[in-house]
Amino acid sequence: DQQVKQNSPSLSVQEGRISILNCDYTNSMFDYFLWYKKYPAEGPTFLISISSIKDKNEDGRFTVFLNKSAKHLSLHIVPSQPGDSAVYFCAASVLGKGGADGLTFGKGTHLIIQP
Amino acid sequence: SAVISQKPSRDICQRGTSLTIQCQVDSQVTMMFWYRQQPGQSLTLIATANQGSEATYESGFVIDKFPISRPNLTFSTLTVSNMSPEDSSIYLCSVRGQGAGANVLTFGAGSRLTVL
Repeated sequence: DQQVKQNSPSLSVQEGRISILNCDYTNSMFDYFLWYKKYPAEGPTFLISISSIKDKNEDGRFTVFLNKSAKHLSLHIVPSQPGDSAVYFCAASVLGKGGADGLTFGKGTHLIIQP
Repeated sequence: SAVISQKPSRDICQRGTSLTIQCQVDSQVTMMFWYRQQPGQSLTLIATANQGSEATYESGFVIDKFPISRPNLTFSTLTVSNMSPEDSSIYLCSVRGQGAGANVLTFGAGSRLTVL
């Protein structure tokens, strides 16, 4: 049973426009959410995170929004750049366990930025 | 954040053989995590490797198939035993950050295994 779902396997966006990647989760115990970016032949790299006590976190061109009632989060990238082309993974964890657990990941969304 | 080196980066293996993947971290860490990414799938946690104790395996993964060693605070190995084509995956080692970064995992580049 997939506890973290990314329903769009791929997304194509024109350079300069906004990219919106979506993620849904089913486990109401999750209270910390992360986005990772992965290039081919490299490991995932941390991009941005949000705690369940917030509904928005912004870092430069990247903003993550969290809607706890809908169990939904999204990553906005604006403006989109060619270097943003990668696979983006949504991940979740339960901080209350003292950080002892790993993360639960979605299947990823392949973002393609077109010139 | 920690720098993680994994070896091998990729390998092609024959059915029935075993392969050991090494993970070296440039700093001492309490816990190391081993993940698997099968083609088109999410990253799935295999086990948590603690120094000085047996690894803790997630549901669906067993020690006989994926034995793990953790001899010190900077090194771990994952062995994929008696491989079948279904084991063709990317295997990734990861560690938690320190201090304010403790909620974030840092990953190695992964080891891509193809089983024929």
